[in-house]
Amino acid sequence: AQSVAQPEDQVNVAEGNPLTVKCTYSVSGNPYLFWYVQYPNRGLQFLLKYITGDNLVKGSYGFEAEFNKSQTSFHLKKPSALVSDSALYFCAVRDSYSGGYNKLIFGAGTRLAVHP
Amino acid sequence: DTAVSQTPKYLVTQMGNDKSIKCEQNLGHDTMYWYKQDSKKFLKIMFSYNNKELIINETVPNRFSPKSPDKAHLNLHINSLELGDSAVYFCASSQDTLAGGPYEQYFGPGTRLTVT
Repeated sequence: AQSVAQPEDQVNVAEGNPLTVKCTYSVSGNPYLFWYVQYPNRGLQFLLKYITGDNLVKGSYGFEAEFNKSQTSFHLKKPSALVSDSALYFCAVRDSYSGGYNKLIFGAGTRLAVHP
Repeated sequence: DTAVSQTPKYLVTQMGNDKSIKCEQNLGHDTMYWYKQDSKKFLKIMFSYNNKELIINETVPNRFSPKSPDKAHLNLHINSLELGDSAVYFCASSQDTLAGGPYEQYFGPGTRLTVT
């Protein structure tokens, strides 16, 4: 079955420190991977995506993600965390059985808390 | 100049009632989606329309009926509301997924439905 796992419910990091939010996936064929962020009482906002090419993908707000095919991972990273980065982060993979349609399978989300 | 808008933002109603949620996007996208986010923040796709045609129809009770009068609008009608329908419902849109991609999705602010 195709799935996305975000093993940490919450990640705590001090402002200015690097952050990593983990994601692993299971999908048939080539994975198409996404990261979204959700601030309180808001809709999801797109951060970045991996389709093909460089394993390091750069996105919005200084975030980047590293695709690792052998480990089936797509971890989200940022070199220096800001308090304003505190939010709920979702990893998603496109369902490879969706006939080319953009059906996304989301992970359960990881709450990032950045402390001053 | 909101990209994806939903009305209403909050909806409180009693069991057994029928209600509708409206969604509009001004991004010129061809594909629109409805998602349900439960109390644990788990996000799952319900429906998707591409150019007014239903392309994704997940296992959702037939009390839920989407309607797309044109490609800028996607409404969700819910009959005989139940307690378990309480959730946040998100509309989203993206470029035509069959014309390249996969493309990122743009989410509306959500409609919080509470069934009492």
